[in-house]
Amino acid sequence: AQSVTQPDIHITVSEGASLELRCNYSYGATPYLFWYVQSPGQGLQLLLKYFSGDTLVQGIKGFEAEFKRSQSSFNLRKPSVHWSDAAEYFCAVGPNNNDMRFGAGTRLTVKP
Amino acid sequence: AAGVIQSPRHLIKEKRETATLKCYPIPRHDTVYWYQQGPGQDPQFLISFYEKMQSDKGSIPDRFSAQQFSDYHSELNMSSLELGDSALYFCASSRGSPSSEQYFGPGTRLTVT
Repeated sequence: AQSVTQPDIHITVSEGASLELRCNYSYGATPYLFWYVQSPGQGLQLLLKYFSGDTLVQGIKGFEAEFKRSQSSFNLRKPSVHWSDAAEYFCAVGPNNNDMRFGAGTRLTVKP
Repeated sequence: AAGVIQSPRHLIKEKRETATLKCYPIPRHDTVYWYQQGPGQDPQFLISFYEKMQSDKGSIPDRFSAQQFSDYHSELNMSSLELGDSALYFCASSRGSPSSEQYFGPGTRLTVT
C-alpha cells in the first residue's frame, strides 16, 4: 500500500535561511509525487510534482524537490525562505493524480 | 483565472442533520475530487468523478454520497451527521483522468454541534 511519511511535524527557520522539508514514501512502483502548500484557512496549492525524467524538479515560489529512488525520498528545498512561506506543507504520493495519499504535513514557521 | 468554487464556505449543523456541499470545477475540467481534512490532519481522499461517473472511491462513509451533474458541478451529501464529521472539505478539479494536476478549491468548513 502507498504511504507518505513527513518526519517533521513543525520546523522553524529564520528568514533568509535555507529550508529542507523531508518526505519519505512507500510505494510498489514508480510513484507520482507532489508537494502542496496550505496557508491558514486556504485550499491546497501545488508547488511541484514529479512523474518521470529529471529527478530534480523546479516548482513555483522558488521551491525545488529531488526524487531519490534509493532513499524513497522526495525532499522539498528552498535556498532562502521568505516570511510569506510560513504555511503547512504536504507531500503526497499516488499511482496517478486520481488517488493521492497525503502525508501528515509539516508546519513551517519563519522567524524574522 | 477562474478557480474551483465551493459553497457554502462555512456550514454549521447539528448532530443527525444532513448537509449538502457544492463544488463548481474550473471551466472545461471534467473530473472532480472530494477530500476531508480533520483538525490538524492531512487531507483524506473521499471520492472522485470523471465525466459524471464515479471514478475512484476512498474513505467515504456510507452516510455520505456524491454525484457529478451534467454541467460537471458536484455535490457531496452528508446524512446523519456526527461530531466527527466536523472538518474542512476540499473539492478539486482537473481536466482528464488521470490528470497532471488537481486544482483545489478553498474548502467548506463544516462544524457539527
